[in-house]
Amino acid sequence: ETGVTQSPTHLIKTRGQQVTLRCSSQSGHNTVSWYQQALGQGPQFIFQYYREEENGRGNFPPRFSGLQFPNYSSELNVNALELDDSALYLCASSLKGPNSEQFFGPGTRLTVL
Amino acid sequence: GESVGLHLPTLSVQEGDNSIINCAYSNSASDYFIWYKQESGKGPQFIIDIRSNMDKRQGQRVTVLLNKTVKHLSLQIAATQPGDSAVYFCAENTWGSYIPTFGRGTSLIVHP
Repeated sequence: ETGVTQSPTHLIKTRGQQVTLRCSSQSGHNTVSWYQQALGQGPQFIFQYYREEENGRGNFPPRFSGLQFPNYSSELNVNALELDDSALYLCASSLKGPNSEQFFGPGTRLTVL
Repeated sequence: GESVGLHLPTLSVQEGDNSIINCAYSNSASDYFIWYKQESGKGPQFIIDIRSNMDKRQGQRVTVLLNKTVKHLSLQIAATQPGDSAVYFCAENTWGSYIPTFGRGTSLIVHP
């Protein structure tokens, strides 16, 4: 086990709603990245936070936003949900900053109806 | 655009056989590559990595080969076990930027 936990495990929302997904990293892991994994695809990078500041962003619209908290937890917020947002959302934390090995959580399965 | 992809979506082997999973990449700027294993219901797990100044790296039962000439890397698993059944992803990076770009994945099925 990586020590990275995510909640909830599964979630069902309807189009247009907003969702918040949560991630709890191991103590001391100062970097967290979020990924979207569509069925049958590899994870796609959404954004990364380092010491509570956004440190990089992938090709995702502004309705995807995030926060990182001092206690090493973080959250991913998605507004105005679309059907294509249905995916597994993974968070990954790193101990030694953005350029160190990432440890992935088990993910949250989001279904948008 | 630049991409990372896998040749075979599914690989079936018998327990005890050696497995080879292949991956092609097209971004010539990539200089750091990682193999991940993802079991059902879990996130990707780091297996082994290799930098572009190497052409081979070995771990426990796994070997990664990198051929920069044809932009190809492979993951070899020796004496494959049922516990190796998973989806395997190769991912590329530019060294110093630990934001991997993942390929689609290969499903490895190990028959007892």
